[in-house]
Amino acid sequence: AQSVTQPDIHITVSEGASLELRCNYSYGATPYLFWYVQSPGQGLQLLLKYFSGDTLVQGIKGFEAEFKRSQSSFNLRKPSVHWSDAAEYFCAVGGSNDMRFGAGTRLTVKP
Amino acid sequence: EAGVAQSPRYKIIEKRQSVAFWCNPISGHATLYWYQQILGQGPKLLIQFQNNGVVDDSQLPKDRFSAERLKGVDSTLKIQPAKLEDSAVYLCASSLVTEAFFGQGTRLTVV
Repeated sequence: AQSVTQPDIHITVSEGASLELRCNYSYGATPYLFWYVQSPGQGLQLLLKYFSGDTLVQGIKGFEAEFKRSQSSFNLRKPSVHWSDAAEYFCAVGGSNDMRFGAGTRLTVKP
Repeated sequence: EAGVAQSPRYKIIEKRQSVAFWCNPISGHATLYWYQQILGQGPKLLIQFQNNGVVDDSQLPKDRFSAERLKGVDSTLKIQPAKLEDSAVYLCASSLVTEAFFGQGTRLTVV
């Protein structure tokens, strides 16, 4: 059965610092991988997705993620965090007919 | 392009009462999902429809939850009777192929 693990429940970074959010997955076939962001009281917004091809994918708001099959990981990165990036981030894995989410990582940004 | 519409946005009910949520997916999207997101957790898939047929309802508490998608478009999710632990945000999402688009959610509080 597919599953997603986000090892970090809460991360705090200073504004302008770099960011990496970890995501590990278990999936029986080639997965589709996603990162979503959720601000308080808001719905889920897709940041980026990986289906196939180049393992480094670019998303919105300056985010990128790298798919590493050997490590079953899909970590999210941003070189310089902005205060507006404070939110909850969810990694998800799916196929053509399903999608499962991790528990999320809450990002706090210090001024 | 109109997004996924959900109503109501907020609902407060007493335990043992019933409640219904409505979702209108993006036009043309065959797949519709209902997720339950308890505070501090990632979204958990309750039920997935492909057109008006159920693809996966393995995590739906069928003794109290029910869902339907008449004519393969709109969907309703019902809880009867509600329990305190049903307090959560109920998210509806739809997809054409693989990427899911989410509504704003309905925040349910059971008191």
